[in-house]
Amino acid sequence: QSVLIQPPSASGTPGQGVTISCSGSKSNVGANAVRWFQHLPGAAPKLFIHTDDQRPPGVPDRVSGSRSGTSASLAISGLQSEDEGDYYCGVWDDTLNAYVFGPGTKVTVL
Amino acid sequence: EVQLVESGGTLVQPGGSLKLSCAASGFSVSGSAMHWVRQAPGKGLEWVGRLRSKGKRDATAIAASVKGRFNFTRDESENTFHLEMTSLKIEDTAVYYCARLLGWWGRGTLVTVSS
Repeated sequence: QSVLIQPPSASGTPGQGVTISCSGSKSNVGANAVRWFQHLPGAAPKLFIHTDDQRPPGVPDRVSGSRSGTSASLAISGLQSEDEGDYYCGVWDDTLNAYVFGPGTKVTVL
Repeated sequence: EVQLVESGGTLVQPGGSLKLSCAASGFSVSGSAMHWVRQAPGKGLEWVGRLRSKGKRDATAIAASVKGRFNFTRDESENTFHLEMTSLKIEDTAVYYCARLLGWWGRGTLVTVSS
């Protein structure tokens, strides 16, 4: 059972957008920067967003992240078939003294 | 270019031990925080632990689920990061990934714990 809450799934048609939420507490999302990871089938996980809203090189600008209070979110606009996969939020938890991942959200492009 | 290649995954019996390796290139493992993350079949990502760069305080942090059984080591001469696993349980079955700063990841190695 993760200390972070994410919706199990999100979907949209090509060109639409999806937003994935990540809800935590004062000891994790409320205290530390959030990362988002993209995990496509058969591939290694990939850092998608770091420091709440920063895109690593190579991640398109139709991807954005934000954090407010004890919640964070990842938004992907202009959905493409290659966006299908699992997305995880991750953050350090000061109480657990451990890094925690959300349970993951499966994005489907209809 | 940063590259990470995991190896050592295999079938092992419950109660057994195994050592995974993560060969790094493009940077020094002693100069970066290195993590292990695993994914059990059909499950999400689970953080296993991390070893901070050499000389940093509180160098090791480890998940409660593996504390006392798993340990991390570094071989600077080989530029390799290791995960030493003991008292393995069936629920340790997973693909194990190493990652530098959680920003660069290897492709993983499969550990199966079964009798």
